[in-house]
Amino acid sequence: QKEVEQDPGPLSVPEGAIVSLNCTYSNSAFQYFMWYRQYSRKGPELLMYTYSSGNKEDGRFTAQVDKSSKYISLFIRDSQPSDSATYLCAMRRVPHSGAGSYQLTFGKGTKLSVIP
Amino acid sequence: DTGVSQDPRHKITKRGQNVTFRCDPISEHNRLYWYRQTLGQGPEFLTYFQNEAQLEKSRLLSDRFSAERPKGSFSTLEIQRTEQGDSAMYLCASSLTTSVEYNEQFFGPGTRLTVL
Repeated sequence: QKEVEQDPGPLSVPEGAIVSLNCTYSNSAFQYFMWYRQYSRKGPELLMYTYSSGNKEDGRFTAQVDKSSKYISLFIRDSQPSDSATYLCAMRRVPHSGAGSYQLTFGKGTKLSVIP
Repeated sequence: DTGVSQDPRHKITKRGQNVTFRCDPISEHNRLYWYRQTLGQGPEFLTYFQNEAQLEKSRLLSDRFSAERPKGSFSTLEIQRTEQGDSAMYLCASSLTTSVEYNEQFFGPGTRLTVL
């Protein structure tokens, strides 16, 4: 079993829909939870990060972390065709917590298409 | 453009050849990371540097792989005796150590390697 599981999709929604993306993980040492967006043949770019449990909102994007369930989500409201991309969840331990504390562990990514 | 740059963007080589990739991080970023991303997968951590010191290497980094960051600025990743399984996107990222615990990793556009 991989440390981070993410449904690769593809996911296709009409413009204006609410999109829900999620990941599960097994390593309870993860404390930082990130969502990256990756356009085709480009590097990932950070959308949002959350420390420990809770919600975080940024414009049309909301990230949720439930550490008790080891489950994280990203919601996109009023989705736009420009949101069409692959969304990667990533996780990290706190710094100085031993080997691997600075590396990011990614999910497979979910490919999203928003249809006009 | 002051982002992370990588060169070349694409490399096609024959099995058994050696290849070298270069990464220029964001100026003054002291940490530099290499990841590998195969088709349909999320990026996987390979190695990271703090200044010129290589502090961690993944088990994915076989003896055929070597990375350097000689002056704590740009980095090179060399693959010797390439195999078809080395075909992937090689991503470089950089971050700046600050007083806060979370420091964003900024990714470059990647070098796409195809081994024939």
